[in-house]
Amino acid sequence: RKEVEQDPGPFNVPEGATVAFNCTYSNSASQSFFWYRQDCRKEPKLLMSVYSSGNEDGRFTAQLNRASQYISLLIRDSKLSDSATYLCVVNTWGKFQFGAGTQVVVTP
Amino acid sequence: GAVVSQHPSWVICKSGTSVKIECRSLDFQATTMFWYRQFPKQSLMLMATSNEGSKATYEQGVEKDKFLINHASLTLSTLTVTSAHPEDSSFYICSRRGQGAYEQYFGPGTRLTVT
Repeated sequence: RKEVEQDPGPFNVPEGATVAFNCTYSNSASQSFFWYRQDCRKEPKLLMSVYSSGNEDGRFTAQLNRASQYISLLIRDSKLSDSATYLCVVNTWGKFQFGAGTQVVVTP
Repeated sequence: GAVVSQHPSWVICKSGTSVKIECRSLDFQATTMFWYRQFPKQSLMLMATSNEGSKATYEQGVEKDKFLINHASLTLSTLTVTSAHPEDSSFYICSRRGQGAYEQYFGPGTRLTVT
């Protein structure tokens, strides 16, 4: 079993719609969680950290469920520019582990 | 602006040659930097942790004699792929931690193609 798992997608989303996807992690001792965005052939860039109480940044909402060991990302009012691969990143005792990413394609 | 730079951004080399990739922390002295490799449609895989002034720490399965890491200053780490083979073709990305140590900043990556 992979330590960080994501649905690879692609999630095809009409512009303006809402899309949500999850990421599961295997180590209950993991301390911090992040969503990164990676565009094709580019480096990952931090989208947002994920806090226990859930947090929102504009159209993006992240949730953490420690009991079930997953985090989620919801994108509202999708824009064409949201098309990218979203990487789930889990920090366990200083070691960052990456999911393979969920591809989101926003269509006009 | 960018906080980590990498050079070169892409390189094509012949099988058997060596390639050096530089990673610079632009705004922050980094005693530790990280080297990742990413194959198409796969996750980033940590190769090694580069430690300023001491030996790098390699992840299991990564050949330290093939992937030479040097962290000679607080702002520069280098990865040398020695005797490169086509299977070494990949996207190599370095990173450093943020000041809070809970996030990472990535370089723009180096795309290596070995023919």
